[in-house]
Amino acid sequence: DTGVSQNPRHKITKRGQNVTFRCDPISEHNRLYWYRQTLGQGPEFLTYFQNEAQLEKSRLLSDRFSAERPKGSFSTLEIQRTEQGDSAMYLCASSFGQVSSYEQYFGPGTRLTVT
Amino acid sequence: GQQVMQIPQYQHVQEGEDFTTYCNSSTTLSNIQWYKQRPGGHPVFLIQLVKSGEVKKQKRLTFQFGEAKKNSSLHITATQTTDVGTYFCAPRGSNTGKLIFGQGTTLQVKP
Repeated sequence: DTGVSQNPRHKITKRGQNVTFRCDPISEHNRLYWYRQTLGQGPEFLTYFQNEAQLEKSRLLSDRFSAERPKGSFSTLEIQRTEQGDSAMYLCASSFGQVSSYEQYFGPGTRLTVT
Repeated sequence: GQQVMQIPQYQHVQEGEDFTTYCNSSTTLSNIQWYKQRPGGHPVFLIQLVKSGEVKKQKRLTFQFGEAKKNSSLHITATQTTDVGTYFCAPRGSNTGKLIFGQGTTLQVKP
């Protein structure tokens, strides 16, 4: 399968615990995005990487959230001291190219439940 | 920043009926993309519109971008059960490419 993959697919954690999610984009894609989606809403932008550089981070993202893309390939999203409000589907998407590129390919998501 | 509103939020149609969802912005958009998300699935790209007044067709789907580039619509002719899902419009940021999704229109099709 050459699409975007995400692991784990589901994560249940207790409030206060740290969690880390992984995204493997399509191999030649240099742009990587993280979004969060809650029930009945559209995906909400969290952060964006071009190669290994994190170029934008949503103001909605608290300091408990951090993302990395160390070699410009896979990316991780860590949430520290999870809260019940963090429960959501976390989606990763990738795309290729410069300004003219536009289609984003989404992964299946990681569903986080904080109890 | 850019925000878009979609109406209606939900639509139930009988199979074979037409369906339209509207996407409205208070600001001029440089482009608009449309995505479809099946129940339990992830968003899948449908199309991007860039030009004022642009109309694009994909089989039974017709996409329009308003003359003022502040609204867009998706029209499905003769819906089928395979059209079930949530349709999102999303302007794309010109520098980063990030998408700003509307809240979506969920389509249910009764066979």
